[in-house]
Amino acid sequence: GAGVSQSPSNKVTEKGKDVELRCDPISGHTALYWYRQSLGQGLEFLIYFQGNSAPDKSGLPSDRFSAERTGGSVSTLTIQRTQQEDSAVYLCASRPGGSTEAFFGQGTRLTVV
Amino acid sequence: AQSVTQPDIHITVSEGASLELRCNYSYGATPYLFWYVQSPGQGLQLLLKYFSGDTLVQGIKGFEAEFKRSQSSFNLRKPSVHWSDAAEYFCAVGANRDDKIIFGKGTRLHILP
Repeated sequence: GAGVSQSPSNKVTEKGKDVELRCDPISGHTALYWYRQSLGQGLEFLIYFQGNSAPDKSGLPSDRFSAERTGGSVSTLTIQRTQQEDSAVYLCASRPGGSTEAFFGQGTRLTVV
Repeated sequence: AQSVTQPDIHITVSEGASLELRCNYSYGATPYLFWYVQSPGQGLQLLLKYFSGDTLVQGIKGFEAEFKRSQSSFNLRKPSVHWSDAAEYFCAVGANRDDKIIFGKGTRLHILP
């Protein structure tokens, strides 16, 4: 596709359920980032990938959060046993190797009820 | 670790007036610096970036920013704002080309007619 694609665009889940959020980066982009955007909190860094490896997972809020990337392409962010405080917009971005510009997707709005 | 502070949560200016949005960063070496804009219902778009060279950088939509090492600042400016500039603006910093990008909490810009 032409841009970073995230799915689903909206997700409503019950507290305690697991959710998977998907990010399809721009083809050929080697770096991939996940952020969480809550009202008034800006963009909170979660994790980033270089290829399939994650040099920095320091932003993951708890062990309920995990992410993987396969084939140097698609990434999945998984939240287990969701809590209401997990409600936010989850943004994914990708960046081509040798460039400094990251391109963002439209995000997945997660609501935990 | 790098960090970013945007001291102003909200800024209101009249259409046609000049604008300056403040950004202070914390990082030991010369960082990679970015300004992104997020319009309502839109994804994040890169306005401009700095990593070396001329400390005054020009971006899209008539924006510019100046890197001041002595003040650890990277303020965004525009000589004359338009109603369409109403949006949320994020300053961001990276340690190098291949590192994570850390964002500030954002400044929401309101334009008075």
